[in-house]
Amino acid sequence: GAGVSQSPSNKVTEKGKDVELRCDPISGHTALYWYRQSLGQGLEFLIYFQGNSAPDKSGLPSDRFSAERTGGSVSTLTIQRTQQEDSAVYLCASSFFPPSGGPLQETQYFGPGTRLLVL
Amino acid sequence: AQSVTQLGSHVSVSEGALVLLRCNYSSSVPPYLFWYVQYPNQGLQLLLKYTSAATLVKGINGFEAEFKKSETSFHLTKPSAHMSDAAEYFCAVSSLSGSARQLTFGSGTQLTVLP
Repeated sequence: GAGVSQSPSNKVTEKGKDVELRCDPISGHTALYWYRQSLGQGLEFLIYFQGNSAPDKSGLPSDRFSAERTGGSVSTLTIQRTQQEDSAVYLCASSFFPPSGGPLQETQYFGPGTRLLVL
Repeated sequence: AQSVTQLGSHVSVSEGALVLLRCNYSSSVPPYLFWYVQYPNQGLQLLLKYTSAATLVKGINGFEAEFKKSETSFHLTKPSAHMSDAAEYFCAVSSLSGSARQLTFGSGTQLTVLP
């Protein structure tokens, strides 16, 4: 079946502009994650959605970053007033909580990412 | 807090040679460990995962990893490298942070396969 999809695949913007990144998870997956991959910081967790629960935003680097998930499916990550240090690849992952396993046994499936360049 | 350390940011092997990518973890509770591979301009693809069922885990593309609690290691191996194995490999540990089951990644190892 279809995997996790993300759009756009590449985004170039000017410093100070807002950007929106979209993630379509695998159908039926209840959990959705955003990660950031940058040269200096490696892969960092940003935010997590699980079903209709309040998202865990503990990884968001500043209040310029926000995310929402509509209808328990598609998610949008918004970065306001972009800065050059926001340049990175933003990866989305989704997962299904295995009924027979514990929470740490879930497998996250990743999308191809959005490459963001802030000039 | 849980963490993983990948020794060697770059590894080069000849085609047909053994591949060994090192990963050590730090965890106060039994860990769940993963290896992901990332090909250029692509997302992360799961190679294999350890969830305590068996210490030797077999994954896709001929890769396997062995969980060694005494050494806190989860090294990735493949008996014979292929050119198509050239990619970046990430070791990760699953942990709970608040309500989030986040993955904490190592810094990655870039594998080069020489003809």
